[in-house]
Amino acid sequence: NAGVTQTPKFRILKIGQSMTLQCTQDMNHNYMYWYRQDPGMGLKLIYYSVGAGITDKGEVPNGYNVSRSTTEDFPLRLELAAPSQTSVYFCASTRGANTGELFFGEGSRLTVL
Amino acid sequence: LAKTTQPISMDSYEGQEVNITCSHNNIATNDYITWYQQFPSQGPRFIIQGYKTKVTNEVASLFIPADRKSSTLSLPRVSLSDTAVYYCLVGDQGTGGFKTIFGAGTRLFVKA
Repeated sequence: NAGVTQTPKFRILKIGQSMTLQCTQDMNHNYMYWYRQDPGMGLKLIYYSVGAGITDKGEVPNGYNVSRSTTEDFPLRLELAAPSQTSVYFCASTRGANTGELFFGEGSRLTVL
Repeated sequence: LAKTTQPISMDSYEGQEVNITCSHNNIATNDYITWYQQFPSQGPRFIIQGYKTKVTNEVASLFIPADRKSSTLSLPRVSLSDTAVYYCLVGDQGTGGFKTIFGAGTRLFVKA
């Protein structure tokens, strides 16, 4: 049982480049989330989705885009990468609202130079 | 949004009981309280969840008073491996969904 899978685990980008962080879950969860975590800090919610075709902004959505075409996949797109986007990105999913635990992926460490 | 407030850090010694309190004055009627543990370079891991009174599982207990404006995570007899960041979350039922917001967390350092 794979759970939540993120790729890539590590990536270095140049300023202005774009890339997509992939997230896939095999638990048939409706709710999926993208967080970023800067060194020594807590997690900040970027975007979330309550089901296929539905996405909404979190606390820090600027500079990112998401899509949710299937229940399993929730990719995060970085357009015009900036040094401020250097962070560790975590994808998570959960079965339903309010109850149930969040399952996290192993994280994707992104450096923008 | 139901904002949470936790101590920034705590120190303890092996074998002691550790209690971490979280304040959530604006908790909504339908909100549950959930605690997560995070080790360096890993994603957070679910510890325990509750709505009111007391919940206990194999790793922790969660105490929630009647007014639900705070909660306390209790870790019995901590070991060095319990050194981690602990997050208290309160579910926010946003329009059409569930926006899960993490606070800054509490850094627990367990000493030998």
